[in-house]
Amino acid sequence: GQNIDQPTEMTATEGAIVQINCTYQTSGFNGLFWYQQHAGEAPTFLSYNVLDGLEEKGRFSSFLSRSKGYSYLLLKELQMKDSASYLCAVTDSNYQLIWGAGTKLIIKP
Amino acid sequence: NAGVTQTPKFHILKIGQSMTLQCTQDMNHNYMYWYRQDPGMGLKLIYYSVGAGITDKGEVPNGYNVSRSTTEDFPLRLELAAPSQTSVYFCASSYPGDANTGELFFGEGSRLTVL
Repeated sequence: GQNIDQPTEMTATEGAIVQINCTYQTSGFNGLFWYQQHAGEAPTFLSYNVLDGLEEKGRFSSFLSRSKGYSYLLLKELQMKDSASYLCAVTDSNYQLIWGAGTKLIIKP
Repeated sequence: NAGVTQTPKFHILKIGQSMTLQCTQDMNHNYMYWYRQDPGMGLKLIYYSVGAGITDKGEVPNGYNVSRSTTEDFPLRLELAAPSQTSVYFCASSYPGDANTGELFFGEGSRLTVL
């Protein structure tokens, strides 16, 4: 079956760096997304990786290794507003999006 | 730009009642989706559409129906509501293509309680 695994919850300190991992097993691969979802709100797009390597966008970076079925989202200089759930999603060979359950990130002062 | 607009934002439904969640997008996206999200869970695809007149079942279609008569609108119908349909429903749209990522744009969500 198709599966995406990410940690349920992580805690980090304001100003620090945190890495949220995502591993996937899907039938084919056509891209990996990271979305941010604040409590009670809709998900919003953060990043997209389709080739191996690191994509950097301000304080956020996303890495992909297709051979390992692995991605991570790196958040630098953490701010209190980064407290949210981070959803990993993979597009499979049929261009269907498979979603992980999300990682709840708690930022402490 | 309004983006993706969902109504209602909140609703309480009695068991056995029916209702329609409305979704409209003004971005001329051909792909539209309905997801449900239960507490602490990921998004589950209910139905999707790749264009006007075309709909297809997702992972959890039972108890729901959709139609896509126009590019803009993609209503979700709940028939004979059950407590298991208590959830947050998100409508989303996208425009997959070689020139873009095909990222999803979400509506604000509709919080539905069935009692």
